[in-house]
Amino acid sequence: GEEVAQTPKHLVRGEGQKAKLYCAPIKGHSYVFWYQQVLKNEFKFLISFQNENVFDETGMPKERFSAKCLPNSPCSLEIQATKLEDSAVYFCASSSEAAGVAQPQHFGDGTRLSIL
Amino acid sequence: QKEVEQNSGPLSVPEGAIASLNCTYSDRGSQSFFWYRQYSGKSPELIMFIYSNGDKEDGRFTAQLNKASQYVSLLIRDSQPSDSATYLCALKGVWGKLIFGQGTELSVKP
Repeated sequence: GEEVAQTPKHLVRGEGQKAKLYCAPIKGHSYVFWYQQVLKNEFKFLISFQNENVFDETGMPKERFSAKCLPNSPCSLEIQATKLEDSAVYFCASSSEAAGVAQPQHFGDGTRLSIL
Repeated sequence: QKEVEQNSGPLSVPEGAIASLNCTYSDRGSQSFFWYRQYSGKSPELIMFIYSNGDKEDGRFTAQLNKASQYVSLLIRDSQPSDSATYLCALKGVWGKLIFGQGTELSVKP
């Protein structure tokens, strides 16, 4: 499609439950990036994919977070055993290139994750 | 020192004035820079990107880049109340990930 599509818009989970978020990139974009926005403005990079391959996972918490991009399916970000501190808005962005200077990333509307 | 620094504001300007938003960065090797606008509760929306020294203009927006001073700015001419938002400065880091500043809140008063 023409936009990055993220679902669900809002997800509520009890502490300790699992949360799974989805992202469909813009058609033709081969790179997907996940970011976490905690509080009002602090963005933290989590992980990126080139098609179905992990491209950069340096920001990914090792223990409870995992992500996948499978062919012909939306990408997913899964958090096991959620904690209160996981409450944030999770944004997905896509681009046609990763490191190219002139290739911006386009963001989806985000998933607001609330851990109770 | 944070990789990307912005004044958090709020920056308040009257309608019709020029709003000037500033950003400094620490990695001298950074090459491309992006300005996003984020309305409260919404996603970041790309305004402009710049990778060459100098000015780049798009309508009421002008991005300025000075690599020697490690400084990026965004000017908004003829500011409108609808420009009131948080403006995020970001640079492209290793492997293409975006590194964001903390954002500057802009308020344009009618």
